[in-house]
Amino acid sequence: GQQVMQIPQYQHVQEGEDFTTYCNSSTTLSNIQWYKQRPGGHPVFLIQLVKSGEVKKQKRLTFQFGEAKKNSSLHITATQTTDVGTYFCAGNTGGFKTIFGAGTRLFVKA
Amino acid sequence: GAGVSQSPSNKVTEKGKDVELRCDPISGHTALYWYRQSLGQGLEFLIYFQGNSAPDKSGLPSDRFSAERTGGSVSTLTIQRTQQEDSAVYLCASSLDRVTGPVQEWAQPQHFGDGTRLSIL
Repeated sequence: GQQVMQIPQYQHVQEGEDFTTYCNSSTTLSNIQWYKQRPGGHPVFLIQLVKSGEVKKQKRLTFQFGEAKKNSSLHITATQTTDVGTYFCAGNTGGFKTIFGAGTRLFVKA
Repeated sequence: GAGVSQSPSNKVTEKGKDVELRCDPISGHTALYWYRQSLGQGLEFLIYFQGNSAPDKSGLPSDRFSAERTGGSVSTLTIQRTQQEDSAVYLCASSLDRVTGPVQEWAQPQHFGDGTRLSIL
């Protein structure tokens, strides 16, 4: 069945350093979504990418969708302590069902 | 304008008991999803509803798990004869209907509730 792999599992950074998490799907996706879950909280939608090669930015966050629509990345420039949490990608192949990656847990040291 | 509401927020029960978890989605959201999240782990898909029907029940871990949705709104997830491995946070999410384009269609963003933390003693 469809699988969405996400790496790394954990990332420790010093505040001000950059951070990237990568997502790879075993099948071509219709779209990919990114969510953030703060410690003790629930996942919160960040962004959705639909088009091949699409790049979107939200302040210090840059999201990319691969040309083949099978991979995606989230890059955070100059991390802050408020960026702490787990970042999930979620891939969809057209139906309602969305497969979540295992998440990358980000730790930021001040 | 309320978000997704789940109840109870916490549930502690003895092994072997049945539990019922409730999810009240955002008004107008066609799709409703149930996930399970163990401590420090990712989201395990359980089931989703399109309206009142559940096209995909493949994620339910065993026949002790069942779910229903009535009136295209509230959903309940029932776990019978609970086991200790059922302990987890159960998250519910809802979303608008799929977007249908000229070439493809895709699911809309999901809005999550705060979850029910289930502990089986």
